[in-house]
Amino acid sequence: SAVISQKPSRDICQRGTSLTIQCQVDSQVTMMFWYRQQPGQSLTLIATANQGSEATYESGFVIDKFPISRPNLTFSTLTVSNMSPEDSSIYLCSVEGQGGISGANVLTFGAGSRLTVL
Amino acid sequence: GNSVTQMEGPVTLSEEAFLTINCTYTATGYPSLFWYVQYPGEGLQLLLKATKADDKGSNKGFEATYRKETTSFHLEKGSVQVSDSAVYFCALENQGGKLIFGQGTELSVKP
Repeated sequence: SAVISQKPSRDICQRGTSLTIQCQVDSQVTMMFWYRQQPGQSLTLIATANQGSEATYESGFVIDKFPISRPNLTFSTLTVSNMSPEDSSIYLCSVEGQGGISGANVLTFGAGSRLTVL
Repeated sequence: GNSVTQMEGPVTLSEEAFLTINCTYTATGYPSLFWYVQYPGEGLQLLLKATKADDKGSNKGFEATYRKETTSFHLEKGSVQVSDSAVYFCALENQGGKLIFGQGTELSVKP
């Protein structure tokens, strides 16, 4: 399965600032997904990033708050804009690929970027 | 809409104890079901998967059977180890390859 590197792994940010998270994959993938994991909660899909087209956002998430870039088939960025303490979460990048179990397509996740907004 | 519900944690067990983590789902049709595991400081890893009713996914001693009658996909392991301490997420595949996750269950195994 694909190997995903995310940067930064963690950061502490001030209210009102913006932070860009990078996701690098070691192979070319069609779709990349960005998830959020708020403290003590489950993962929620923010958006799907496709190369060569606008990202598709889930209900409750908008491009002005979470702009996404997808310049090529191995890289994507997610920006968290005008941050508030409510944005303190782990943000995870994931890709769909051929899994090692049952030969089925499964999602592979990066280690995540833990953001704390003061 | 589709949803996944897991038993709340944390679950604390002694080494070699039997593990069950309950997972039930609500879905239209028969989506693929997954268990992911998140070890401390690491990303989510696929643990096992089942793609249709009565399928049993298994890996590393863990098993889960896709039960459409009870809309469940409970995770079991006969003898847990300290190294199994992690957060376990049940998930179902929604349209377009997207996953819907349960809230996660933290497992702590004591020596």
